[in-house]
Amino acid sequence: GENVEQHPSTLSVQEGDSAVIKCTYSDSASNYFPWYKQELGKRPQLIIDIRSNVGEKKDQRIAVTLNKTAKHFSLHITETQPEDSAVYFCAAKVPNTGFQKLVFGTGTRLLVSP
Amino acid sequence: NAGVTQTPKFQVLKTGQSMTLQCAQDMNHEYMSWYRQDPGMGLRLIHYSVGAGITDQGEVPNGYNVSRSTTEDFPLRLLSAAPSQTSVYFCASKGLAGSGLYEQFFGPGTRLTVL
Repeated sequence: GENVEQHPSTLSVQEGDSAVIKCTYSDSASNYFPWYKQELGKRPQLIIDIRSNVGEKKDQRIAVTLNKTAKHFSLHITETQPEDSAVYFCAAKVPNTGFQKLVFGTGTRLLVSP
Repeated sequence: NAGVTQTPKFQVLKTGQSMTLQCAQDMNHEYMSWYRQDPGMGLRLIHYSVGAGITDQGEVPNGYNVSRSTTEDFPLRLLSAAPSQTSVYFCASKGLAGSGLYEQFFGPGTRLTVL
């Protein structure tokens, strides 16, 4: 079945720096890759996603890139702010499931220091 | 819309007790699911449903039952609680977002402790 690995497990940056979180997946047929942000004690919330028919997607300060050949995708946050501090999860959709069956990475705790 | 709601927010059980975690959504979504979240392990799918009357197992279904008698409700039952079931449980539903694409919406979570 699908397996998703996420690195690093923790990431500390200074405010204004960029942050990059990387994920790899195992099933080359996976075609949907969402990223979730979870603040302390809150529910995960979708922040950006990408489908396998594109290589990059941007939304203001966040972007996601996808390399289908290498089976990895990355989250890029530019000009980080203290409110970006949270745990970020990547996920991959299990192929050939009508239901959006997602396999999640183990999460990256991002800390942005003022 | 209230979105996805869960009750209770917190629960403490003794080993062997049974209980039901409630989940409801008012967005008329067909797809609903239950995840558990443990430190260092991300979110793992327990059970899911693609519509009323239809349920299926996820990655970690043992010790849990679900039913889907209505589109709105998707309760998760713990038959005989064990300490290994101590976790935070999230219910989610999937439907069309404002973007016009499908998105998974999570409930606020239930923090369960089994002693």
